[in-house]
Amino acid sequence: QKEVEQDPGPLSVPEGAIVSLNCTYSNSAFQYFMWYRQYSRKGPELLMYTYSSGNKEDGRFTAQVDKSSKYISLFIRDSQPSDSATYLCAMGGNKLVFGAGTILRVKS
Amino acid sequence: GAVVSQHPSRVICKSGTSVKIECRSLDFQATTMFWYRQFPKKSLMLMATSNEGSKATYEQGVEKDKFLINHASLTLSTLTVTSAHPEDSSFYICSADGGSQTETQYFGPGTRLLVL
Repeated sequence: QKEVEQDPGPLSVPEGAIVSLNCTYSNSAFQYFMWYRQYSRKGPELLMYTYSSGNKEDGRFTAQVDKSSKYISLFIRDSQPSDSATYLCAMGGNKLVFGAGTILRVKS
Repeated sequence: GAVVSQHPSRVICKSGTSVKIECRSLDFQATTMFWYRQFPKKSLMLMATSNEGSKATYEQGVEKDKFLINHASLTLSTLTVTSAHPEDSSFYICSADGGSQTETQYFGPGTRLLVL
């Protein structure tokens, strides 16, 4: 079993839709949870960082962590074509463990 | 803030040559930098962790004599791919530790290496 599981997609949605991206993990020692966005041929860009269970909102993005279920989510409201990218979940401490990344395509 | 640069962004070289990639944290000091490799449509694979002033820690299966890492200052780490071969062709990305207040990593834009 992989430490972090993430559906690679692709996930295709119409512009304006609410997008839900998810990761599950097996290591209960993970304390930090992040979401990165990666455009093709570019380095990952940090989107959200959370430490504890609960929700964190930043503009159109909401990160949710449920440590009891070992499940994290990223919600994107009012999705735009410019949101089309690969979204990577990452978690851990000094060393990050990445999910496989979900390819998101937002169609106009 | 938290900008990481990489140079070069793209390099093409002949088999057998060595290639050096630089990673710089531009507006913060990074005690720890990380080097990743990414294959097309795959996730990031950690190659090594680089600490300023000490030897890098390599992940299992990564040849330390092949991938030389130097972290000479708090803002610069270099990765040298020695005697490169076509199978070393990949996207190499560095990241820098965000500091003691956060466990996040800030990534550079990546370097695409093509070995002919």
